[in-house]
Amino acid sequence: AQSVTQPDIHITVSEGASLELRCNYSYGATPYLFWYVQSPGQGLQLLLKYFSGDTLVQGIKGFEAEFKRSQSSFNLRKPSVHWSDAAEYFCAVDMNSGYSTLTFGKGTMLLVSP
Amino acid sequence: SAVISQKPSRDICQRGTSLTIQCQVDSQVTMMFWYRQQPGQSLTLIATANQGSEATYESGFVIDKFPISRPNLTFSTLTVSNMSPEDSSIYLCSLRSGWVNNEQFFGPGTRLTVL
Repeated sequence: AQSVTQPDIHITVSEGASLELRCNYSYGATPYLFWYVQSPGQGLQLLLKYFSGDTLVQGIKGFEAEFKRSQSSFNLRKPSVHWSDAAEYFCAVDMNSGYSTLTFGKGTMLLVSP
Repeated sequence: SAVISQKPSRDICQRGTSLTIQCQVDSQVTMMFWYRQQPGQSLTLIATANQGSEATYESGFVIDKFPISRPNLTFSTLTVSNMSPEDSSIYLCSLRSGWVNNEQFFGPGTRLTVL
C-alpha cells in the first residue's frame, strides 16, 4: 500500500528565512503528488501539484516543490517565509491507477517566529 | 475551482446522538468524498459517494455508523451515528471532477465535539 511520510511534526522558522518541508512517499510507480495547506479553522487549499514533466513545480503564495524520483521525495520550499504562512502543511499522493484517491501524510505544523 | 460549503461549521453533541453534515457544491460533480481528521492527525478517507450508486466505504468505516446520501450531483450528506467522544473530529467533504490530472478540492470542514 502506498504511504506518505512527513518526518517533521513541527518546524519553527524565522520570518524572512527560507523553508523546506520534507515529504517522502512509498509506492512502486510515480504517483501524482500534492501539497495542501490548512490554516487554523480553514479547509485544505491546494498549493501545488506534480503530475509529470518538469520536476520543479511552482505553486501559489511563492511556494515550489521538487520531485526527486531517486529519493521518492517531493519537498516543499519557500525562499522567504511570511508570518501568514503559519499553518499546517500536508503532502498527499494519488496512485494514478484507475479508481484511486488521495493518501495524506500526517502533516507538518509550521510556526513562524518574529 | 468549485466552491464547497458545509453545514454546520461546528457542533457540540451529546454521546449517543447523531449528527448529519451537509455538503453543497456550486457545480455538478460526479465524485465526492468524505474525510475525517482526528485531532492532531492527518486526513483519513471515510467513503466515496458517487451519484447514482451506493457509497463505497474504506476499511474501518461502516454504513451503519456513517450513512451517506448523494441525492444529486451537487449535494451530499454524512451522518455520524450514535456518537461517542472518539468521533470528535473535523469532517471534510471533498470532490474531484475526474480521475486523470484532476485536482481534489476540499470543503471548509465541520468541527465536531462529542461530550
